[in-house]
Amino acid sequence: QKEVEQDPGPLSVPEGAIVSLNCTYSNSAFQYFMWYRQYSRKGPELLMYTYSSGNKEDGRFTAQVDKSSKYISLFIRDSQPSDSATYLCAMRSAGNNRKLIWGLGTSLAVNP
Amino acid sequence: GAGVSQSPSNKVTEKGKDVELRCDPISGHTALYWYRQSLGQGLEFLIYFQGNSAPDKSGLPSDRFSAERTGGSVSTLTIQRTQQEDSAVYLCASSSSGVTDTQYFGPGTRLTVL
Repeated sequence: QKEVEQDPGPLSVPEGAIVSLNCTYSNSAFQYFMWYRQYSRKGPELLMYTYSSGNKEDGRFTAQVDKSSKYISLFIRDSQPSDSATYLCAMRSAGNNRKLIWGLGTSLAVNP
Repeated sequence: GAGVSQSPSNKVTEKGKDVELRCDPISGHTALYWYRQSLGQGLEFLIYFQGNSAPDKSGLPSDRFSAERTGGSVSTLTIQRTQQEDSAVYLCASSSSGVTDTQYFGPGTRLTVL
């Protein structure tokens, strides 16, 4: 079993829909949780960064972390065609080793 | 300022040849990572450099793969005796040593082994 599980999709939604993307993990030591967005033929870029449990909101994006369930989510409100990309979750434990453990990524298509 | 740059952007080589991929991280970033991404797959960690510490090589798939980072800046990933299964996009990322250690990625090198 992988340390981080993420459904690869693809996920296809109409413009304006609310999108929910999720990852589960097995290592209770993970403290830092990230969502990266990757457009086709580009490198990933950080979208949201959360420490420990709770919610974080940035514009149309909300990241949630539930450490008791070992489950993280990214919500996209009022989705736009420009949101079409692959979304990767990543996480790590505290300490000096900053190596991230990555999900496989979920491919999202928002249709106009 | 400039982001992470990688060269070449594309590389086509014949099976059995050696290749070198270059990464120029963001100036001042102490950490540098190499990843491999095959078509439709997630990021496969290869190697991680942090300051002057010994690199974490736990992700290198075989002894044909090696990497070095000179002067704490530029890094080169070398693949010897390339195989067709080495075909992938090789991504480099760098980060600072702060608490919010966002990894900034380069555009990648697309390697095709014929």
